[in-house]
Amino acid sequence: GEDVEQSLFLSVREGDSSVINCTYTDSSSTYLYWYKQEPGAGLQLLTYIFSNMDMKQDQRLTVLLNKKDKHLSLRIADTQTGDSAIYFCAESGSGGSYIPTFGRGTSLIVHP
Amino acid sequence: DAGITQSPRYKITETGRQVTLMCHQTWSHSYMFWYRQDLGHGLRLIYYSAAADITDKGEVPDGYVVSRSKTENFPLTLESATRSQTSVYFCASSGIKAYEQYFGPGTRLTVT
Repeated sequence: GEDVEQSLFLSVREGDSSVINCTYTDSSSTYLYWYKQEPGAGLQLLTYIFSNMDMKQDQRLTVLLNKKDKHLSLRIADTQTGDSAIYFCAESGSGGSYIPTFGRGTSLIVHP
Repeated sequence: DAGITQSPRYKITETGRQVTLMCHQTWSHSYMFWYRQDLGHGLRLIYYSAAADITDKGEVPDGYVVSRSKTENFPLTLESATRSQTSVYFCASSGIKAYEQYFGPGTRLTVT
């Protein structure tokens, strides 16, 4: 099975909050990240969280980590049309490797 | 401008031809990576390199060859292109913290 799983699509209205969810399988994962990919561009690291943290906040972004359930979420407050992109969840640190394993990505569509 | 660049940005080639995708970074990062992005599969690691003259296979290395004679360059060669190698290819680099990756803009390769 996949190491990192995400839903493929999310549609929200402008101004609402978006929550993108991710589950991973390896309990030894040390780092968990969120990357953003805008159309026609490469991935850009948005934020990351260490496995010994429960939450990290950075302006409109809130990352929540539930280690027991191996569940990671990214909340975007006051979602804007410019937030429309593909969001990738990734983990690393399992098996001693710090190279990220990526999920398939969630396409966030923000409509007026 | 400093950063990570890929060339060409778009390439159309025929089945059986050899094609090389170039990647260049100006940060003197230790690690460099090649990924392919396909609909339904997300991002898959092809090869990576921890330093000059050190390369290792990723998840999907078959049909690809890499080299790294200089720290700043990491070319990817398809020795005999097949239609299944039609994809968007991303190069990435990172420093000692291999998890904090910086991505190039991608090369869209079509094999006819």
